[in-house]
Amino acid sequence: AQRVTQPEKLLSVFKGAPVELKCNYSYSGSPELFWYVQYSRQRLQLLLRHISRESIKGFTADLNKGETSFHLKKPFAQEEDSAMYYCALRSTSYGKLTFGQGTILTVHP
Amino acid sequence: DAGITQSPRYKITETGRQVTLMCHQTWSHSYMFWYRQDLGHGLRLIYYSAAADITDKGEVPDGYVVSRSKTENFPLTLESATRSQTSVYFCASRAEAQRNTIYFGEGSWLTVV
Repeated sequence: AQRVTQPEKLLSVFKGAPVELKCNYSYSGSPELFWYVQYSRQRLQLLLRHISRESIKGFTADLNKGETSFHLKKPFAQEEDSAMYYCALRSTSYGKLTFGQGTILTVHP
Repeated sequence: DAGITQSPRYKITETGRQVTLMCHQTWSHSYMFWYRQDLGHGLRLIYYSAAADITDKGEVPDGYVVSRSKTENFPLTLESATRSQTSVYFCASRAEAQRNTIYFGEGSWLTVV
């Protein structure tokens, strides 16, 4: 069974501080992992995917198979980063996503 | 980005009533999904569909019914609403070839009183 765990429900940082949103997963196969973001009262949107090794809005995430983690990081948080962040793992069948519980990030001025 | 739309966006209903949430997408995506979003549980899959007339249960299907008579529509019905079904519901879709890109609707806020 696949599972995604985000241990922090709430995370608060000050503007300019580094931020790390944790994500751990369990999956028997080769994982495909994603981070989704949901700004206030907006739809979920894809932030980044591990296969792309991209940096979006200053965020990066590295897949660590040894630690089964896919933590999201940003060196200098901005107020506009305040949102709900979901880590997700894609099943090999039907492309359906299993989401973590989500982390609400608040960046204070 | 109005390719996938949900209605109603906000709904208050009474316990025991039937409620249908509509989802419509204009991309002819094969796959469609319904998730519910609850604090502490994140997003959980209710039902999904691989094509018209093909549906399957997700993680939390009890109390819900879906149908997919047309590719573009994927309605979710609560046959007899309960307070535990108060939630935000998100519909999503993806193309068969784009396995890594799922598009979400704006959500439907449902309150059962």
